[in-house]
Order: sequence, then C-alpha cells, then structure tokens
Amino acid sequence: DTAVSQTPKYLVTQMGNDKSIKCEQNLGHDTMYWYKQDSKKFLKIMFSYNNKELIINETVPNRFSPKSPDKAHLNLHINSLELGDSAVYFCASSQDPGTGANQPQHFGDGTRLSIL
Amino acid sequence: SQQGEEDPQALSIQEGENATMNCSYKTSINNLQWYRQNSGRGLVHLILIRSNEREKHSGRLRVTLDTSKKSSSLLITASRAADTASYFCATDPWGAQKLVFGQGTRLTINP
Repeated sequence: DTAVSQTPKYLVTQMGNDKSIKCEQNLGHDTMYWYKQDSKKFLKIMFSYNNKELIINETVPNRFSPKSPDKAHLNLHINSLELGDSAVYFCASSQDPGTGANQPQHFGDGTRLSIL
Repeated sequence: SQQGEEDPQALSIQEGENATMNCSYKTSINNLQWYRQNSGRGLVHLILIRSNEREKHSGRLRVTLDTSKKSSSLLITASRAADTASYFCATDPWGAQKLVFGQGTRLTINP
C-alpha cells in the first residue's frame, strides 16, 4: 500500500492553463505539505496544513491554491500556469509536530509538471 | 538564505568504499534529518538526530552532529550500487514549523 500517493505523475500542459494535483496519505498523519523541487534539485516548501488548517504559506504566488477537504488529502490547484512553474511538485505528510520538533516526513513520488 | 548546504555536491566512489557527505547550517535547530532520493522518486527518510545527540547509527549509516560548528555528516559504509542516489540534509530550525532542505549530494557508486 502506497503511503503518500500523488496524481498525476506527469503533467504536460500549455502556458495559461489551470491544473490540479491531488495527494492522499493513508498514514493517519495530521500534517501535510507541498514542496517544489527545481531543476537544480533544490527542494522548497510551499504550504503546510495541519488537520485541514493552513499553517505555512511560503510567499507562493496566489495562482497556487491548496485545498484540504480532510486531513488525509491535500490538493494543489494552479491557475494561469507560467513557464517558471515547470518543476517537480512533492506532497509529504508527517505526525503533528505541535509546538515541538518536526517529525520525519513521508513523501509521494512527485508530479512532474512541464509547461509548453 | 538556504539553511542547509551539502558538501560535496557530487561524489563518485567504487562499490565497497565508504562515502561521507557533509551538511552545514546557520541557525539553532531542534533536530537534523537525512533523506535519500532515488532518481524519479520521492525523498525517503533515513535518520533523525536530535540537537542533544552527537552520533547515531542505523545499519550502514552513521550520522554525526556538531552543534558548535553547526555541521553534520552522513557516513555510508561498505557502499553498494543500490546506494546510488541524492542525499539531502534537512534542518528543523527553532520555531520554524518546517524543515529546510539543502540541495543535496549526488552519490554515484561504481560497480
């Protein structure tokens, strides 16, 4: 059973389109994340949610909108796609760090987004 | 600026040799974590070392942490071809509510 699953695995689309990426985790974790990994492998956090509430929004353009229908799902919708959005997007989950230390994160296998 | 920086950026060794990767960071941390990423896959957590720990072992992995120098190292002993991957350190800065990843070390094990 896949712990953190993302769909689709590949997404090729035209500039200006709107697209969504879905993420689901079956680990019972309260906290979920979206990361962007660029071509140089630099992994940068975009958002984190704890039990459906937004915790972190890292100065991401408002074209990116996360949505968490329940604590097992965190989807990412992107409006008006731009060339610079081409990257690999990773979903992850972890136990709730609370006010303490961040726990190990479990990652999906990524969604490779290519903008033509 | 970026919290964790790995060194070297790329490392190529022969199977059976030991591989050492280093990570430096800038602020106080709760813990430091190491992850592995195989090509085309997501990151996999390897080991977590708390700020009050100096060394930790897991199988062929040995991690050290020097908070006075703000640095950590990951040693993989008796490397295997399957260890070929990118290795990332991630710091957990005080009060940050997030992990901050470095750019990784690309490790290639030659048979």
